[in-house]
Amino acid sequence: SQTIHQWPATLVQPVGSPLSLECTVEGTSNPNLYWYRQAAGRGLQLLFYSVGIGQISSEVPQNLSASRPQDRQFILSSKKLLLSDSGFYLCAWSVTGGPGANVLTFGAGSRLTVL
Amino acid sequence: AQKVTQAQTEISVVEKEDVTLDCVYETRDTTYYLFWYKQPPSGELVFLIRRNSFDEQNEISGRYSWNFQKSTSSFNFTITASQVVDSAVYFCALSEGFDKLIFGTGTRLQVFP
Repeated sequence: SQTIHQWPATLVQPVGSPLSLECTVEGTSNPNLYWYRQAAGRGLQLLFYSVGIGQISSEVPQNLSASRPQDRQFILSSKKLLLSDSGFYLCAWSVTGGPGANVLTFGAGSRLTVL
Repeated sequence: AQKVTQAQTEISVVEKEDVTLDCVYETRDTTYYLFWYKQPPSGELVFLIRRNSFDEQNEISGRYSWNFQKSTSSFNFTITASQVVDSAVYFCALSEGFDKLIFGTGTRLQVFP
């Protein structure tokens, strides 16, 4: 069966520090991968998505970046965090085609607090 | 442009009451998908249902039911005989063709014993 792992689960970082959140998927190949952010009391905002290794699409201009160095690994990064980067970050995966198409499966999330 | 509106920010009910969560969407496409997800206090989003734009049949799964009406661009979710474990934030979402989901702002449901 497929599983998705996200870490770290909780992170407290000072303004201006770097960030690296990692997400890996097991049990499937060539998944579509996504990073969403949920600010406190708000809905989910799509940040990045990827349909393959090295292929990253950005939905919102910001000081965050994403990379996909391996088929089932998706990394969210920042060189210098801002206060506004605080939030709950969710990684998700999906497959194209088949009965599970279009259904996103989410990880447990990473809660980031920037002080 | 795509848009999903969940006008109910928070709903409180007492156990065993029925509750309906509203979802209104906007899209110019004729082919699209609608979803509901549940986010319990743990934070992880749990998939509940997917409905494509060509299937307007209502669906029932246990205490959950969904009413899809293209004429009013709505995809409402009803929980019958609510339970405390139903307490969560519920999100409605829309996608057009590709798997990018556009989420509503969510409805927080609190079920009191």
